[in-house]
Amino acid sequence: SQKIEQNSEALNIQEGKTATLTCNYTNYSPAYLQWYRQDPGRGPVFLLLIRENEKEKRKERLKVTFDTTLKQSLFHITASQPADSATYLCALDKAAGNKLTFGGGTRVLVKP
Amino acid sequence: SAVISQKPSRDICQRGTSLTIQCQVDSQVTMMFWYRQQPGQSLTLIATANQGSEATYESGFVIDKFPISRPNLTFSTLTVSNMSPEDSSIYLCSVEKGTGYTFGSGTRLTVV
Repeated sequence: SQKIEQNSEALNIQEGKTATLTCNYTNYSPAYLQWYRQDPGRGPVFLLLIRENEKEKRKERLKVTFDTTLKQSLFHITASQPADSATYLCALDKAAGNKLTFGGGTRVLVKP
Repeated sequence: SAVISQKPSRDICQRGTSLTIQCQVDSQVTMMFWYRQQPGQSLTLIATANQGSEATYESGFVIDKFPISRPNLTFSTLTVSNMSPEDSSIYLCSVEKGTGYTFGSGTRLTVV
């Protein structure tokens, strides 16, 4: 069966350091991989999308890599800030506007 | 991207009753998606709603329990029927418009 796995343990990190989150998937051939941020009591907010033929994508302090051979994506938050504290979800999509399948999410806590 | 208005934001309901959740989008979209997020869990897709046709339900979800309406290209409702405490969750609607998916703010349902 299809699985999307994220580290379920919370990631505690010091302000200014780089947070690195992992998303692994099995039995899946996604065309798109997306990362979302979710704050308590709110819906997910879209951050970045990377296509299967792209290796890396950046947006401000965020960087995403996508390795279809390893079936893995890494999500980096550089120069982390306390305001980056949230749960980060990876999601896979077989085609644009098809449907998203989410991983379990990783909670990030950035300490000042 | 789109803006979604979802209501109610929260409700406490008696078991055996039904609750209808509404989502209004500020622009026309072909598909709307309904998700459930159980406490401490990630998002699980319930169904995909197209205007003019019956919704497509994911494994484990049935129309009798979660009837969906999609009367036009900007609006959809999800009803949680004959509720039990196991239905206590956050329910979210979502659309894909441009890059990434936009989510409603969610409906926090507690069944007592």
